[in-house]
Amino acid sequence: DAGVIQSPRHEVTEMGQEVTLRCKPISGHNSLFWYRQTMMRGLELLIYFNNNVPIDDSGMPEDRFSAKMPNASFSTLKIQPSEPRDSAVYFCASSWTSGTGELFFGEGSRLTVL
Amino acid sequence: AQSVAQPEDQVKVAEGNPLTVKCTYSVSGNPYLFWYVQYPNRGLQFLLKYITGDNLVKGSYGFEAEFNKSQTSFHLKKPSALVSDSALYFCAVRDQAGTALIFGKGTTLSVSS
Repeated sequence: DAGVIQSPRHEVTEMGQEVTLRCKPISGHNSLFWYRQTMMRGLELLIYFNNNVPIDDSGMPEDRFSAKMPNASFSTLKIQPSEPRDSAVYFCASSWTSGTGELFFGEGSRLTVL
Repeated sequence: AQSVAQPEDQVKVAEGNPLTVKCTYSVSGNPYLFWYVQYPNRGLQFLLKYITGDNLVKGSYGFEAEFNKSQTSFHLKKPSALVSDSALYFCAVRDQAGTALIFGKGTTLSVSS
């Protein structure tokens, strides 16, 4: 089975540009999570969806960040405009909502904003 | 609010020796506890979880963890460390099904040959 698929794996952009990160969860999973990893702050939960509905977006840093899940097999995290402090590795993870099971993580998207 | 603390930024052990990576948690209800490992430039990989039942949980790659409710701890252990165990280890908690995991800051494990 394919795992969680994220794209792009690496993105280098200039300050002020729009960045879109993409995630395809594991088929059959109905919860999707976006995390951000930095050296200073560790792993932070940004937002998560259950059955394509955003449940908790309290971790989204500010209005420049937005996330969507138009269907069960696709989600995007958008940053507009990007800033150097957004540089981080962004992870997507998926799981079954009704279970107490683990999250399955993608390989991450490393974002560098110059 | 739920939280996880990993008190050690780094743990160093010699190959063949036992290892322990510490984790304590705080939740309002019954905890669901997890350990993950991350190798450089990779995503997080699941090692083991505690949901209910036996306090000693066995997981992947010979790792195990002991749930201690009175001490609110969930320490990761392995009887004999390998150099290949060197990685970043995360403890995580959720307080109910269907919610996100809250992660500790991670502990870097270094196993020397």
